[in-house]
Parts: sequence; C-alpha cells; structure tokens
Amino acid sequence: NAGVMQNPRHLVRRRGQEARLRCSPMKGHSHVYWYRQLPEEGLKFMVYLQKENIIDESGMPKERFSAEFPKEGPSILRIQQVVRGDSAAYFCASSPRTGGSYEQYFGPGTRLTVT
Amino acid sequence: DQQVKQNSPSLSVQEGRISILNCDYTNSMFDYFLWYKKYPAEGPTFLISISSIKDKNEDGRFTVFLNKSAKHLSLHIVPSQPGDSAVYFCAASAGSAGANNLFFGTGTRLTVIP
Repeated sequence: NAGVMQNPRHLVRRRGQEARLRCSPMKGHSHVYWYRQLPEEGLKFMVYLQKENIIDESGMPKERFSAEFPKEGPSILRIQQVVRGDSAAYFCASSPRTGGSYEQYFGPGTRLTVT
Repeated sequence: DQQVKQNSPSLSVQEGRISILNCDYTNSMFDYFLWYKKYPAEGPTFLISISSIKDKNEDGRFTVFLNKSAKHLSLHIVPSQPGDSAVYFCAASAGSAGANNLFFGTGTRLTVIP
C-alpha cells in the first residue's frame, strides 16, 4: 500500500536550467496538489490537478512554472530557467476526492537547490 | 497574507504531560481543519481533522478543539511522548466554497523531554 511517491528527493540545478519534479499519487487517488515550502515557513499551495486537467493554479507563478497530470504516468511540476529564489522543498499531496473535507496525503518532498 | 497563524514557534513539554498547540485563522469561509506532523526531511503526516460542524474530535492521544466564534483551534496530546517531538502544522480549507487547497500555518516545533 504505497504512499505518495516523489522523485527525485534532492535536485541540484544551476541558474537557468530546468527542474522537473515527479509525483505519483496514492493508489486510487485522482487528485494531486503541489505545495512549496520555503525555509522557516509553512507550505504554500501552488496548483491542483486531476487527470489531464489543471483545476486551480492560483498559487503558481505565471512565468517559468507549469504542471501536468497526464492520463498515464506521474504528475510533473516543471520549473524553467530556475533562479536562486526557487530553492525550496516541493511537496506533492493526493486525495481520493475534492471538496475540502478530505485529507490530503503528502509525499516526502523534493528539495531543490539552485546554485 | 497569512490566513492561518501559529504564534508559538516552539513548545517544550515533559514526557507524560499534556502538549497544547494553538492555531488561529482569519478566513470565516474555512470549514475544515487539519493537523499535520512533520519530521525533518520528510513530508507532513496527517494526524487528525475536524469539520466546522463539530467542536471536538478525538483520536487516541490526540484531541482537536474548535472554537468558531474565536476562530481558534487547538491540538491536545496527552500523554506526550518523546516520539511526538516534531513540527506540527495547522491547516484549513474552505471546501464548501469550492476551494481545494489547504492553507498552512508556519508550524510549532514540539520537543518532548524524557
């Protein structure tokens, strides 16, 4: 009964490179959320996706960031032309359905370091 | 704009005593509240939740209390154990308003002293 899987766990990128973060939700979960945690802060919502659809991207920067959740395969959070300010822990969560009354289960996170 | 606030960054408690972690929120549309526990280099782990139609929810050693008029909730852990030492995050959502994301507080680091 695997939980939410994220890879890689650690990712180092130079400024200007692209970062790709992957998330496989728990079995039976079709709702995926991405959050970002900066040092000494709480988690901040970025984007909510269902299979093949972006439902809410209100927390995601308009430029350089994109997310997808294809019919087959994991959800991907892509950051193009990374800058030092993108260094953070990125967490993916999944839930069986939406409505706000259902718990979200988190993966272990990907720690992105931009040098 | 921090809609969920945890004003105590840290708390130390003796083993066997009660730990009380507090959380305040500003958005009256929030109708579901959750507590997560987080160890370093791991993702948050769900602990307990409460709907706004209730004022208390209990699960083993963990109890969450909700005071809607004060926009305040608290997590009680009793008895506290050394393994409870972690960062605790309070989170809230406005599901009935169609919102799907969780708003998190900044966390309280609990240390349980053996």
